Amino acid sequence: DTAVSQTPKYLVTQMGNDKSIKCEQNLGHDTMYWYKQDSKKFLKIMFSYNNKELIINETVPNRFSPKSPDKAHLNLHINSLELGDSAVYFCASSQEGAANEKLFFGSGTQLSVL
Amino acid sequence: GESVGLHLPTLSVQEGDNSIINCAYSNSASDYFIWYKQESGKGPQFIIDIRSNMDKRQGQRVTVLLNKTVKHLSLQIAATQPGDSAVYFCAENPRRALTFGSGTRLQVQP
Repeated sequence: DTAVSQTPKYLVTQMGNDKSIKCEQNLGHDTMYWYKQDSKKFLKIMFSYNNKELIINETVPNRFSPKSPDKAHLNLHINSLELGDSAVYFCASSQEGAANEKLFFGSGTQLSVL
Repeated sequence: GESVGLHLPTLSVQEGDNSIINCAYSNSASDYFIWYKQESGKGPQFIIDIRSNMDKRQGQRVTVLLNKTVKHLSLQIAATQPGDSAVYFCAENPRRALTFGSGTRLQVQP
């Protein structure tokens, strides 16, 4: 069983479209995250949710809206996609969301905006 | 072989050699450090972590060294194998989420 699973694996879309990426974890963790990895492999935190509550919201355009229906799911909706949104998006989870815990990552969603 | 820095350098080693990947972290308030391995097309996988009250921690074929004086972290991989080829990231915890360095690509030559 995959611990952190995200779909789709690949997403190719036109500028201006709206798209969603879904994430689910079956580890029983309380905290989930979205990270963005750019073309230079740099990983940057976007959001974190602890038990459906938003904890971290980095300087991310408000076109990005995370939604956590329950603590096992954290979806990412992106409105009005732009070329610069092209990247790999990783979902992750941790036990409690403490700063000294390891993260478990999904396999990523490669978003290409044309 | 060794590599230094937070760019994305490539470290090329022969199979069977030991590898040393270095990382300079930025925040002296960080008290938890972690190394991840990312293979092509996959998400980062946990390798080993260390807390700031330790200088060294060993795992299976891997050792992490922490030098808080100069804010330096290293990952040593013993008897490097082709399966170790990947991008390696260090991360620290200056705030409530891990902050990642930019990674080092390790290439293992057979």
